[in-house]
Amino acid sequence: NAGVMQNPRHLVRRRGQEARLRCSPMKGHSHVYWYRQLPEEGLKFMVYLQKENIIDESGMPKERFSAEFPKEGPSILRIQQVVRGDSAAYFCASSPDRGPSPLHFGNGTRLTVT
Amino acid sequence: QKEVEQNSGPLSVPEGAIASLNCTYSDRGSQSFFWYRQYSGKSPELIMFIYSNGDKEDGRFTAQLNKASQYVSLLIRDSQPSDSATYLCAVKGSSASKIIFGSGTRLSIRP
Repeated sequence: NAGVMQNPRHLVRRRGQEARLRCSPMKGHSHVYWYRQLPEEGLKFMVYLQKENIIDESGMPKERFSAEFPKEGPSILRIQQVVRGDSAAYFCASSPDRGPSPLHFGNGTRLTVT
Repeated sequence: QKEVEQNSGPLSVPEGAIASLNCTYSDRGSQSFFWYRQYSGKSPELIMFIYSNGDKEDGRFTAQLNKASQYVSLLIRDSQPSDSATYLCAVKGSSASKIIFGSGTRLSIRP
């Protein structure tokens, strides 16, 4: 499967635990975006990364959230000490470059905080 | 002012008619424009992209861009029930900038 791969598809965490969401971009793509979507709402930009570099993190909450895209391996979105308000669908998308190319989305990770 | 604005709908269109979806954006320097379709519980899928003023056609879909008015639209001809979904408009500014999505327009095609 050459598409954007996200895992896990579903993740359940108790309040205060950590959530790690992983995203492997399409083959040949070196740019990754993370978006959050609440039910019946649009996609909210969180962070834009290139390998080993954060390009834009203006949509990331200042606390508890972090993202990385290492030279080797998938991009990771990490949420520490989760709260119920973090429950949402988290989508990863990739593109081949900084140019005008469209994004290709993964299937998303549905995070539920109990 | 939101960066990318769409009417949330729902927009109800009879089967076989033309559905017209609209989007406005605030960054006059925006360069790339995208339309995505999202079915409930699924991930967004790309329908079309447009970079230059004017119309771009692909099958039953036509994207229209007017940079002077900061307006982009999507026309769906011969609407089918399978077109019922949420349509997301997305805009990218400069080459290094993020892609911002509108809140989406829910489209319902009635038989």
